[in-house]
Amino acid sequence: GQSLEQPSEVTAVEGAIVQINCTYQTSGFYGLSWYQQHDGGAPTFLSYNGLDGLEETGRFSSFLSRSDSYGYLLLQELQMKDSASYFCAVYRQAGTALIFGKGTTLSVSS
Amino acid sequence: NAGVMQNPRHLVRRRGQEARLRCSPMKGHSHVYWYRQLPEEGLKFMVYLQKENIIDESGMPKERFSAEFPKEGPSILRIQQVVRGDSAAYFCASSPPSGTETQYFGPGTRLLVL
Repeated sequence: GQSLEQPSEVTAVEGAIVQINCTYQTSGFYGLSWYQQHDGGAPTFLSYNGLDGLEETGRFSSFLSRSDSYGYLLLQELQMKDSASYFCAVYRQAGTALIFGKGTTLSVSS
Repeated sequence: NAGVMQNPRHLVRRRGQEARLRCSPMKGHSHVYWYRQLPEEGLKFMVYLQKENIIDESGMPKERFSAEFPKEGPSILRIQQVVRGDSAAYFCASSPPSGTETQYFGPGTRLLVL
């Protein structure tokens, strides 16, 4: 079977740094994506890792270790608007469907 | 540059009726994916289509559900004889012909079966 594990909830305060981990077990692995979803709206693409290492995009960074079947999303300088659900998702092959984790609800307080 | 469009945004059906959900991909995109999301859950893959072809329907129930992506017009997900368990948010995503890693999602259709 396919499984992605990520924490169900994370809380933090404005200005802090938070890391959301994702471990995966899938038959085949091509890359790991992260998506943000506000209040059940359209999932918004945040980042993609196809190779091991860190990808940085503004306040968000994502990391992948293929040998550990592990990745994380790092959010810096948290803002209230970052309160949302964050999903890791695996591509088993290029251009195929995504397999999503159940999501992590991030709550940012002032 | 318009994003992925889905309509209707909300759909209410009684048990036994048919539901038709439409998805227009981003301009230049020829790959369409349908996902279903239950409350407090992640998105579950249903079907992957390219123009006039179903590439992967491994996530779609064998009965009552069908999908198409005709040469002209939007992709359609059709659910026949809906049951209460079909109530969910249905999201469509699209990607360019190159098979890029990024899928862009539409706003979803929230289906409620009474």
